[in-house]
Amino acid sequence: QQQVKQSPQSLIVQKGGISIINCAYENTAFDYFPWYQQFPGKGPALLIAIRPDVSEKKEGRFTISFNKSAKQFSLHIMDSQPGDSATYFCAASGAGSYQLTFGKGTKLSVIP
Amino acid sequence: DGGITQSPKYLFRKEGQNVTLSCEQNLNHDAMYWYRQDPGQGLRLIYYSQIVNDFQKGDIAEGYSVSREKKESFPLTVTSAQKNPTAFYLCASSISGTQLTGGYTFGSGTRLTVV
Repeated sequence: QQQVKQSPQSLIVQKGGISIINCAYENTAFDYFPWYQQFPGKGPALLIAIRPDVSEKKEGRFTISFNKSAKQFSLHIMDSQPGDSATYFCAASGAGSYQLTFGKGTKLSVIP
Repeated sequence: DGGITQSPKYLFRKEGQNVTLSCEQNLNHDAMYWYRQDPGQGLRLIYYSQIVNDFQKGDIAEGYSVSREKKESFPLTVTSAQKNPTAFYLCASSISGTQLTGGYTFGSGTRLTVV
């Protein structure tokens, strides 16, 4: 009930392409869905987040798409750059709990 | 600037030795967390604390201990009972309450290696 399933585990994208990472959740009480970006040897940093009252949120080249009925959300990185190479984690929280449930992460490699 | 400071950045532990990882935050956050990260394993919760002098076990608490004597500090001790402690350890903090805003703030991590 508390799981967040993330796919794919790893992703290789050419420079300039679109990177897409998907997450699915089971708990319908979740109401906050952040994405974190982690570079090697560093802690994760909040990248972008969405609440279920909107279906899409865009910040620069990063977009979250949210499908409440399917209980899925995804991260799209447009015009992917080598500097975007990192591990990305989706997460969710809600139902009166501030604790985040994390997906297992996706290692993105953007090749020139 | 507000943030979370973890120290040391690298730590080496001998067999049978206890070591303590430091985590300090000046964000005035009530809640603090410790995660362990291994390749391909994601983030696994060790312990968390919602308030001073109170903490709860996470998914992999065996072999670890914590204290929360001050709001700003949440040190993690890796005891000799933890048989495979080599990992990257992350500390995080957040506001508490019924609705999370702003997510977690993470420290830069401590890499622990058994020698």
